[in-house]
Amino acid sequence: EDKVVQSPLSLVVHEGDTVTLNCSYEVTNFRSLLWYKQEKKAPTFLFMLTSSGIEKKSGRLSSILDKKELFSILNITATQTGDSAVYLCAVEGGSKLTFGKGITLSVRP
Amino acid sequence: ETGVTQTPRHLVMGMTNKKSLKCEQHLGHNAMYWYKQSAKKPLELMFVYNFKEQTENNSVPSRFSPECPNSSHLFLHLHTLQPEDSALYLCASSQRSGTSNGIPYNEQFFGPGTRLTVL
Repeated sequence: EDKVVQSPLSLVVHEGDTVTLNCSYEVTNFRSLLWYKQEKKAPTFLFMLTSSGIEKKSGRLSSILDKKELFSILNITATQTGDSAVYLCAVEGGSKLTFGKGITLSVRP
Repeated sequence: ETGVTQTPRHLVMGMTNKKSLKCEQHLGHNAMYWYKQSAKKPLELMFVYNFKEQTENNSVPSRFSPECPNSSHLFLHLHTLQPEDSALYLCASSQRSGTSNGIPYNEQFFGPGTRLTVL
């Protein structure tokens, strides 16, 4: 059975801190790993990763995949209160998409 | 606004009722999805439609019945639900590229969801 584990489950930081969110997985026929940000209701797509060692970057957010060790990290630098959200990791194996439970990030002013 | 709308936004129904959730995408996409998000559980993919054809049904009970009459509309028909079916139901859409056999999950745009409560 495919499995996606995110850690930590929740995190509280102060504005300006840097955070690292973790996602480890066990899936058959790995195709891609995706990160989403969910505020209130609808998730919004952040990154899709398919190759090991290639960092994807968008502003203060960056992510990298290690297909040998089966994990990915999402980094957020100089956090802002608007970064407060649940961060979801999902892994596509074959044609199935398995989500982790999410990491709740709270950024305090 | 993501270009994906869902109605109703909130729904309360009894176990013997029949209701439908509606999703509409205004993005010209050709793939649509239903997800279920229960409290303290991971997001679960329920159904996938590519070019109006259902390609995924992740062991969803038959009391949930999807319908995709065209590439812009997706319905989820509900009947004889159980209280444990109470959850947030999210619709998403994406553009499947060319001859790829994969589903471009990366391009998914989500609707705001329908909060369903089954009494």
